[in-house]
Amino acid sequence: NAGVTQTPKFQVLKTGQSMTLQCAQDMNHNSMYWYRQDPGMGLRLIYYSASEGTTDKGEVPNGYNVSRLNKREFSLRLESAAPSQTSVYFCASCPLGDSNEQFFGPGTRLTVL
Amino acid sequence: AQRVTQPEKLLSVFKGAPVELKCNYSYSGSPELFWYVQYSRQRLQLLLRHISRESIKGFTADLNKGETSFHLKKPFAQEEDSAMYYCALMNYGGSQGNLIFGKGTKLSVKP
Repeated sequence: NAGVTQTPKFQVLKTGQSMTLQCAQDMNHNSMYWYRQDPGMGLRLIYYSASEGTTDKGEVPNGYNVSRLNKREFSLRLESAAPSQTSVYFCASCPLGDSNEQFFGPGTRLTVL
Repeated sequence: AQRVTQPEKLLSVFKGAPVELKCNYSYSGSPELFWYVQYSRQRLQLLLRHISRESIKGFTADLNKGETSFHLKKPFAQEEDSAMYYCALMNYGGSQGNLIFGKGTKLSVKP
């Protein structure tokens, strides 16, 4: 099992450009999450999805959109990137119920110039 | 409001010394707490959870509901313990559970 995978690993954007961060998990987990990690701020939840077809806002959803394409995939889109979105983005999945352990991807380091 | 507080951004100890990473929480219901760890150039991973009452890599954490704390302890720190540690609280306030993370404590164990 690959666990949680994310693409790309690194990305540099110019202000106003758009891009989609991809996340996939092969553990048959129902729940998936997108976080951003900033120095001194810890991990903050952007969006999450309890199951295919459902998404909910987290703590910092502004400037982002998400799509739960199927049970495996959960993508994060920046429509018009801003320098404030420079961060490391982590995707995670969780089985919920039996275990509330979240499994994290390796992260995407995004820089917006 | 649900909240997790880790008061120390950086904790530096010498190898063999005891270490305690502090975590306090605010939650209206019965809390479910976790410690996650992120070693250099590795992904975030679960270290331990309070319901398991287990010891992982020599670390333990006890939930103290009276003091609303879930401090992480290890009697003898090792250099390989150097990492970023996050305390997290399971929040069931929305349509499903999601984790609320503290801001993290960077542990540095010096030789």
